[in-house]
Amino acid sequence: DVQLVQSGAEVKKPGQSLKISCQGSGYDFSSYWTGWVRQMPGKGLEWMGIIYPGDSDTRYGPAFEGQVIISADKSINTAYLKWISLKASDTAMYYCVRTANYDSFDLWGLGTMVTVSS
Amino acid sequence: DIVLTQSPGTLSLSPGERATLSCRASQHISSTYLAWYQQKPGQSPRLLIHAASYRATGIPDRFSGSGSGTDFTLTISRLEPEDFAVYYCQHYGSFLFTFGPGTKVDIK
Repeated sequence: DVQLVQSGAEVKKPGQSLKISCQGSGYDFSSYWTGWVRQMPGKGLEWMGIIYPGDSDTRYGPAFEGQVIISADKSINTAYLKWISLKASDTAMYYCVRTANYDSFDLWGLGTMVTVSS
Repeated sequence: DIVLTQSPGTLSLSPGERATLSCRASQHISSTYLAWYQQKPGQSPRLLIHAASYRATGIPDRFSGSGSGTDFTLTISRLEPEDFAVYYCQHYGSFLFTFGPGTKVDIK
């Protein structure tokens, strides 16, 4: 099956670091851009950034530049989203997405819920 | 940067009725880069329409997209019980992806 499998829910304290993952399967992971979308509780969708695993070309949304780090390891078909120092406002569901033609997101993961609380 | 505005914020309709959802861009955009998504409670969003009017794989033909320039529309011809959800439009341009705030379609 063509799918994106995300890592499990996380509960962290402010100031801690975190790296969540997204593994693609059933397609040539290296040849599709993989991105991340944030959804804060009860809110809409926000695009965070995107990476091309083939060459690690990475782009960030303006609100997320410098706030998170997106990376990928094409040898294991996995993309990552990393925080150096979490804030309570990072509490959200994070979706991994695929784009085939850099226009829309045709494949979504089930999401990783990140809760940051003291 | 492009800003997408969706209206109405909430649309209250009955099963079998027609739903018309609007997405307006702050400036002219290419239809190629306008998409629509559906999100049900507790679920991931799913792609309905790409390039303004092309249904994604497996999407029923009661869903249709239209529009150009700054004004785009998602139409659900006859609402089924499973169509009550939140719908988002999304644009890509200049290495940026932008989502609209969403329209909630709920049961009247």
